[in-house]
Amino acid sequence: GAVVSQHPSWVICKSGTSVKIECRSLDFQATTMFWYRQFPKQSLMLMATSNEGSKATYEQGVEKDKFLINHASLTLSTLTVTSAHPEDSSFYICSGSGRARGPDTQYFGPGTRLTVL
Amino acid sequence: DQQVKQNSPSLSVQEGRISILNCDYTNSMFDYFLWYKKYPAEGPTFLISISSIKDKNEDGRFTVFLNKSAKHLSLHIVPSQPGDSAVYFCAASAPGSGGGADGLTFGKGTHLIIQP
Repeated sequence: GAVVSQHPSWVICKSGTSVKIECRSLDFQATTMFWYRQFPKQSLMLMATSNEGSKATYEQGVEKDKFLINHASLTLSTLTVTSAHPEDSSFYICSGSGRARGPDTQYFGPGTRLTVL
Repeated sequence: DQQVKQNSPSLSVQEGRISILNCDYTNSMFDYFLWYKKYPAEGPTFLISISSIKDKNEDGRFTVFLNKSAKHLSLHIVPSQPGDSAVYFCAASAPGSGGGADGLTFGKGTHLIIQP
């Protein structure tokens, strides 16, 4: 399958600071990228969907001004958690989907563990 | 409310035997179902999928069964191997409005433990 990387793999930050997470598709062009969040012992929850060159579509309950998503190229999407608070501590996972349509073409990154102190 | 439910948080199976992981869903709009395998601190890895127009899909040791009337699907792994020990997520997708890939709705996962 295709490869998706995330950077950093883990980050610890102080409350009130902003954190940027990068998601890259290494060997394919991801026309659509998804951002998920997973709390301990919970399922992965879709946060937002972004198509290259367009504004992201956020799921209900996800604050678009807090979780800024940029998908400026076919191989890179970024998620910025602005003014992070302890309740934002979670495991953030991105996935990319290529030009072939269909949900089984989503390839997931390894995830980023965010801890906000 | 949880649209995709995996009611067994964990399952222990002896090596060589069959592992059966179950998943129920409530949204009748779901038309595509997937199973992912996940290790700690890693992203999910796609295993197998099934369209709602089918009731069975097989790939090697993995078979997924779909019962639309019961809104239930299951993943069978046979024979189970030690390397199968991981968390298995059931996921579902509904038709998108504008084409392209669609976000997935995941269950909470079942931790499969294969005992030697």
